[in-house]
Amino acid sequence: DVKVTQSSRYLVKRTGEKVFLECVQDMDHENMFWYRQDPGLGLRLIYFSYDVKMKEKGDIPEGYSVSREKKERFSLILESASTNQTSMYLCASSLFSEEETQYFGPGTRLLVL
Amino acid sequence: AQKVTQAQTEISVVEKEDVTLDCVYETRDTTYYLFWYKQPPSGELVFLIRRNSFDEQNEISGRYSWNFQKSTSSFNFTITASQVVDSAVYFCALSEAGQAGTALIFGKGTTLSVSS
Repeated sequence: DVKVTQSSRYLVKRTGEKVFLECVQDMDHENMFWYRQDPGLGLRLIYFSYDVKMKEKGDIPEGYSVSREKKERFSLILESASTNQTSMYLCASSLFSEEETQYFGPGTRLLVL
Repeated sequence: AQKVTQAQTEISVVEKEDVTLDCVYETRDTTYYLFWYKQPPSGELVFLIRRNSFDEQNEISGRYSWNFQKSTSSFNFTITASQVVDSAVYFCALSEAGQAGTALIFGKGTTLSVSS
């Protein structure tokens, strides 16, 4: 079974803090994704990566950066957390082809105070 | 531009009722892929089905069935004899050929509540 894990299920941070969200997959997938999910807006792509050290901006990259130093790990970084980044963050991974299914982690609920 | 519309925001049914969740998509590509995911209260998105644009056969898996109609750009999902455990948010999603490595385009989801 594909396994995607995220470092925290719940996180509370203060405005201005630097926040790291970690995602690890164990299926040797090339693609990894970070989405955020907000009520009424559905899932929106923040960043994705199709290979180590490669990254592409998604629909809402502002205020975020990412790091992929190893194939199995994809980190989302909030350089200076703000209250409007309070959200549910979901990581996903897939094989390289567009037809391949994306498998999701359990999500991290981030609250920025 | 590609788009996925789930017009039903919330649906409430009583156990054992059948329920259909609607999904309408827009794409200019002739090759594309459609997905359904389930998100229970725990938060994790669970993959349910993938269908490519060349396969219009309906699919049945237990109490779940999917009706794909290219003529109406729809990929609807029916749960037969619903159960309380079916309560979740259901997402329909689209990906396009030639876009390897790109993300899924999700609808906004339909929240299904099944009461006993």
